[in-house]
Amino acid sequence: GDSVTQMEGPVTLSEEAFLTINCTYTATGYPSLFWYVQYPGEGLQLLLKATKADDKGSNKGFEATYRKETTSFHLEKGSVQVSDSAVYFCALSESEGNTPLVFGKGTRLSVIA
Amino acid sequence: KAGVTQTPRYLIKTRGQQVTLSCSPISGHRSVSWYQQTPGQGLQFLFEYFSETQRNKGNFPGRFSGRQFSNSRSEMNVSTLELGDSALYLCASSRPPNTEAFFGQGTRLTVV
Repeated sequence: GDSVTQMEGPVTLSEEAFLTINCTYTATGYPSLFWYVQYPGEGLQLLLKATKADDKGSNKGFEATYRKETTSFHLEKGSVQVSDSAVYFCALSESEGNTPLVFGKGTRLSVIA
Repeated sequence: KAGVTQTPRYLIKTRGQQVTLSCSPISGHRSVSWYQQTPGQGLQFLFEYFSETQRNKGNFPGRFSGRQFSNSRSEMNVSTLELGDSALYLCASSRPPNTEAFFGQGTRLTVV
């Protein structure tokens, strides 16, 4: 079945450092790919998405490019802030309605001033 | 506009009891999905309802059930609770097709 593998956390960075969170996937078809973020005590928020190969999703300084050849969707940000501290989930969906979503285990990011 | 509302936010139940969780989607959204989040298993899909019909179902035992009403509000029920059912239950709504899923804050269920 479909699966998502993302790097284990926690990841601790200093403010303004560069962030990469690796994500690779296994799917039978051509899935849509997502990054969700979960702040403490909150539900999940969609951070960015890409629906086909070579698409780049971006939002709030975060970027990820859909790489079909390496089945990857790595999340990057050039300069993290303390407010970026959260848990980040990579996810995919093969369905037209983007349900169900298959999630990775999540990567906890802590940014220190 | 109002987001996805889940009630209650916290629940403590005893093993063997049953529980009902509620989810009110964003106005106009007709698809509601449920996910279970645990530290060990992460986020797992339970089921999806669209226009009062179950459209997809995850790999959970029959103790987990759900329904959707004509106003798109959804409930999920867990019968004969087990300690392992302790989790954060998240509801997401969307307006298919190919649209963003908006998540609620979740209901944290603790089974003792």
